[in-house]
Amino acid sequence: QQKVQQSPESLIVPEGGMASLNCTSSDRNVDYFWWYRQHSGKSPKMLMSIFSNGEKEEGRFTVHLNKASLHTSLHIRDSQPSDSALYLCAASMTGNTGKLIFGLGTTLQVQP
Amino acid sequence: GPKVLQIPSHQIIDMGQMVTLNCDPVSNHLYFYWYKQILGQQMEFLVNFYNGKVMEKSKLFKDQFSVERPDGSYFTLKIQPTALEDSAVYFCASSSRPGGTGQLYFGEGSKLTVL
Repeated sequence: QQKVQQSPESLIVPEGGMASLNCTSSDRNVDYFWWYRQHSGKSPKMLMSIFSNGEKEEGRFTVHLNKASLHTSLHIRDSQPSDSALYLCAASMTGNTGKLIFGLGTTLQVQP
Repeated sequence: GPKVLQIPSHQIIDMGQMVTLNCDPVSNHLYFYWYKQILGQQMEFLVNFYNGKVMEKSKLFKDQFSVERPDGSYFTLKIQPTALEDSAVYFCASSSRPGGTGQLYFGEGSKLTVL
């Protein structure tokens, strides 16, 4: 069983629309969540991180975290074709060796 | 932003040969990582390294794998001998903070093809 589960596997949204991606950890020791974006053939680039309950917004991107359920979500408003990529959720634990545990990712396609 | 450089970007070798993948981490970063990603599959943790030592390694980090960073030069992943299942993209990452609280910066990856 994956320790970090993401849904949906893939998502198609129209340009200008809202994309919502979900991620849950089954490991209760996790306390940091990271969202990375990986364009095809490129390296993952961090979008946002969150470790406190609640919401964090940066530009068109908003991330939510519910620590009780270990669920985080990423919302992209006014989606652009350049947002088309693989979105990876990762989890880590304070005091651990620093490794990130990644989910399988959500492939987002924004249609012009 | 901060850059992690990886050399080579592509390598094709015959099964059984040795390969060394090189990583130039972000300057002043002290924590280094290798991840393995097979096309369409998960980004999987291999190993992390700090202060000249392996801190943690996964089950994927077989006995044929080794890492080192001699005197501040490249952080390297060596596979000897290689096997067909080692074909993947290997990503190096570095961070300035330990304990899962520091952002990991990834290189562009080294695509390894074992024939």
